[in-house]
Amino acid sequence: DARVTQTPRHKVTEMGQEVTMRCQPILGHNTVFWYRQTMMQGLELLAYFRNRAPLDDSGMPKDRFSAEMPDATLATLKIQPSEPRDSAVYFCGTTAGDKNEQFFGPGTRLTVL
Amino acid sequence: DAKTTQPNSMESNEEEPVHLPCNHSTISGTDYIHWYRQLPSQGPEYVIHGLTSNVNNRMASLAIAEDRKSSTLILHRATLRDAAVYYCILRLYQGAQKLVFGQGTRLTINP
Repeated sequence: DARVTQTPRHKVTEMGQEVTMRCQPILGHNTVFWYRQTMMQGLELLAYFRNRAPLDDSGMPKDRFSAEMPDATLATLKIQPSEPRDSAVYFCGTTAGDKNEQFFGPGTRLTVL
Repeated sequence: DAKTTQPNSMESNEEEPVHLPCNHSTISGTDYIHWYRQLPSQGPEYVIHGLTSNVNNRMASLAIAEDRKSSTLILHRATLRDAAVYYCILRLYQGAQKLVFGQGTRLTINP
């Protein structure tokens, strides 16, 4: 049963700390998306990669957020330094080639105190 | 990205059909209509997509108006597990595959 994996599932941290969220795409999926969900803004696209190259990161605050794909089996989203307004659920979505269906992980719930 | 409009919430009864509407009056000829849903405490889940013709799959049916300015997601026999937020999204087939989510419709199913 192929699934997108995200770790950690929950993270509580203090303002100013670095946070790293990880996503393991479904094997063979070459496109990875990062979304953030809050009550106020809903689901927002932060960035996405295809074949490990960034295609669009216009939704991401550049001064504190960074997204990378060190290899085909791992995508990371890093926040440094974290702020209380970054508290949200962060979802990773993956898809294969030009396929229509996007598969989502269970999300990382981040709380910044 | 072309905009979609959905009711904020809808309510239905278990084992009855549910028709979830979506308006997309500015849709372009190359936009596909996608539906995703998000169950409580889970990531979004693909439901169905279509271009011009009506579509059926194991989860739902998608009815697309002839002028493509609106569509309806049909759950033929709702169960309590269908309670979720349903998102109607327009997406280009070629090129960018990103999904731009609106506020969606929160569907409540009554036992």
